[in-house]
Amino acid sequence: DVKVTQSSRYLVKRTGEKVFLECVQDMDHENMFWYRQDPGLGLRLIYFSYDVKMKEKGDIPEGYSVSREKKERFSLILESASTNQTSMYLCASSLDGEINTQYFGPGTRLTVL
Amino acid sequence: QKEVEQDPGPLSVPEGAIVSLNCTYSNSAFQYFMWYRQYSRKGPELLMYTYSSGNKEDGRFTAQVDKSSKYISLFIRDSQPSDSATYLCGNFGNEKLTFGTGTRLTIIP
Repeated sequence: DVKVTQSSRYLVKRTGEKVFLECVQDMDHENMFWYRQDPGLGLRLIYFSYDVKMKEKGDIPEGYSVSREKKERFSLILESASTNQTSMYLCASSLDGEINTQYFGPGTRLTVL
Repeated sequence: QKEVEQDPGPLSVPEGAIVSLNCTYSNSAFQYFMWYRQYSRKGPELLMYTYSSGNKEDGRFTAQVDKSSKYISLFIRDSQPSDSATYLCGNFGNEKLTFGTGTRLTIIP
């Protein structure tokens, strides 16, 4: 069974802190994605990766960076968290050539105070 | 103008009713059209997808695409309380998946 896991379900951080969100998939998928989901704005793509050590900017990369050192793991980094980064963060993965079929993790609800 | 427009609802219907959920899109490059279902406090899960204009049926669910008017729909027959969720339409093109904002649906027993 397909599985995408995220390191935390709920996270509370202070403004200026460095935040790491981890995502692991066990399906040997080549593609991995980070989205944020906000009411009225839907899912917005932050970064994605087609392969190990590769990364591509999505629609809203400002204030974020990513790391993909291993195929199964994709990390989202907030270098200096700000209150406008309070959101639900969703990780997804897909097979190469099947970006339309993405499998999502349960999400991390991040609150920045 | 957003690339994908979706009425956020909320939409409440009685159990057993037929539900119609709709999206419009503006980008002609979109090739695949998906519907994802998201239960509260969960990640979205792919419900069904279609490539061409026309209908695609899967059990109680029917996805309909009209490329000429850039309109996609999801119909749910014999709706059940377990169908209560947020439904997101998704369009794929130019190597990117673009989502609507989601419609929150509640089926009232």
